[in-house]
Amino acid sequence: EIVLTQSPGTLSLSPGERATLSCRVSQSVSSYLAWYQQKPGQAPRLLMYGASNRATGIPDRFSGSGSGTDFTLTISRLEPEDFAVYYCQQYGSSPSFGQGTKVEIK
Amino acid sequence: QVQLEQSGSELKKPGASVKVSCKASGYTFISHGMNWVRQAPGQGLEWMGWINTNTGNPTYAQGFTGRFVFSLDTSVSTAYLQISSLKAEDTAVYYCARRVVTALNWFDPWGQGTLVTVSS
Repeated sequence: EIVLTQSPGTLSLSPGERATLSCRVSQSVSSYLAWYQQKPGQAPRLLMYGASNRATGIPDRFSGSGSGTDFTLTISRLEPEDFAVYYCQQYGSSPSFGQGTKVEIK
Repeated sequence: QVQLEQSGSELKKPGASVKVSCKASGYTFISHGMNWVRQAPGQGLEWMGWINTNTGNPTYAQGFTGRFVFSLDTSVSTAYLQISSLKAEDTAVYYCARRVVTALNWFDPWGQGTLVTVSS
C-alpha cells in the first residue's frame, strides 16, 4: 500500500498570505496525484489532478507541483473561503489519501 | 451539470444492514466508474473501492471485503453501497465519487455524503 504523508498537520495563516502544503508519497507515483479541499460539513472538492492541472472552475491562485514522491500545493494569496482541510490522493496504484492539512485563520 | 445525489442519513442498530444510494445525472452513467469513500467522525478519507459501471465488476480495498457490497441499477443511473452486520465502528459519512478517466482514478465530483450512525 502506498502511504501519503502530509505536512504540516495545521497551517495558521492570515488572509492574503501564501500557503505551502506538502505531500510526500512512500513510492513513486509519477504525476498521478490529486488534491482536494474539504470544508466543514461538505464533501471534498477536486482542486488539482495530474499534480499540476487545475480542475474546472478552480481559481489560478491554486497551483500544484512535483512528481515522483514529493508534491506541493500552493495557494498564492489566501482568501477567506480557502480556510479548509486539504487532502492529497495518489492514483498510481490503488488510490490512497494523505491524512490532511488544516489551513486555519491565524 | 454532473451531479451525484446520495440518500439521506441512516440510524441503524448493531447487526443490521444499510443500503446507501448514489444517483448520477448530467453524464452517461456507464462511461465512468464509481468510487466509495469513508470518512469516520473527525477523521480523514479512506478509499473503499470502486465499481465498473459498464461491467458491474467491483473492486474492494483492503479492509472492505466481506460485509461491503457495491452494486448498480443502470436503468436509473444509480450506484449502491450495502453494509451488512453493522458495527459501531462503521459510523461514518460515506461518499460516492465519480471516476473521471477510465485508466486513472481521481474523483470528481463527489456526492454530498450519507451519514450512517450505528448505535444501540
